[in-house]
Amino acid sequence: NAGVTQTPKFRVLKTGQSMTLLCAQDMNHEYMYWYRQDPGMGLRLIHYSVGEGTTAKGEVPDGYNVSRLKKQNFLLGLESAAPSQTSVYFCAIETGAAGAGELFFGEGSRLTVL
Amino acid sequence: DAKTTQPNSMESNEEEPVHLPCNHSTISGTDYIHWYRQLPSQGPEYVIHGLTSNVNNRMASLAIAEDRKSSTLILHRATLRDAAVYYCILRDRQEGAQKLVFGQGTRLTINP
Repeated sequence: NAGVTQTPKFRVLKTGQSMTLLCAQDMNHEYMYWYRQDPGMGLRLIHYSVGEGTTAKGEVPDGYNVSRLKKQNFLLGLESAAPSQTSVYFCAIETGAAGAGELFFGEGSRLTVL
Repeated sequence: DAKTTQPNSMESNEEEPVHLPCNHSTISGTDYIHWYRQLPSQGPEYVIHGLTSNVNNRMASLAIAEDRKSSTLILHRATLRDAAVYYCILRDRQEGAQKLVFGQGTRLTINP
């Protein structure tokens, strides 16, 4: 997980509260991704970014917003948290060329919404 | 998107080889075959990828069928640290990772 740092690692929210997850890379890669993983399930893509100032929706974007104001940072925001957003969130960066690129993941952020 | 089919779980013994199968009968000519694994309480990590030929690296080998409709990830000598969920994923060479689909993978248990 070297090079991809997620903060915070754990958080408990009440329904309706807001929060922001930060993904920071210490490299210079263009592509960054936010996934969520529910218990016993595979990862699902929330939003992604192909470069500074750009973002795009993934498979499950509703209820989330993102920003990539600086190349090194990709922020995931929950404006009004819901219990259905209880999950583990993973950020990833991509190295290499399209198709053959490798994804490097952070250690995850475990979010519980009560 | 082309899909992959993997067994839900497999079990093996320490220091023995492990062969993890993956079927991808609808693979297109531009799809790479990627494998990732996820250790408990960690994010996924890249294992290996290939297009047509068999591939080897320090972690594993990837054997790809001649018709490319199936592949096998080979761990030559399993250790307890190899216990993880293994994901077989197809990725179009022209697409970014936003098209990747992580299914439920194969949960590999290693017995001491």
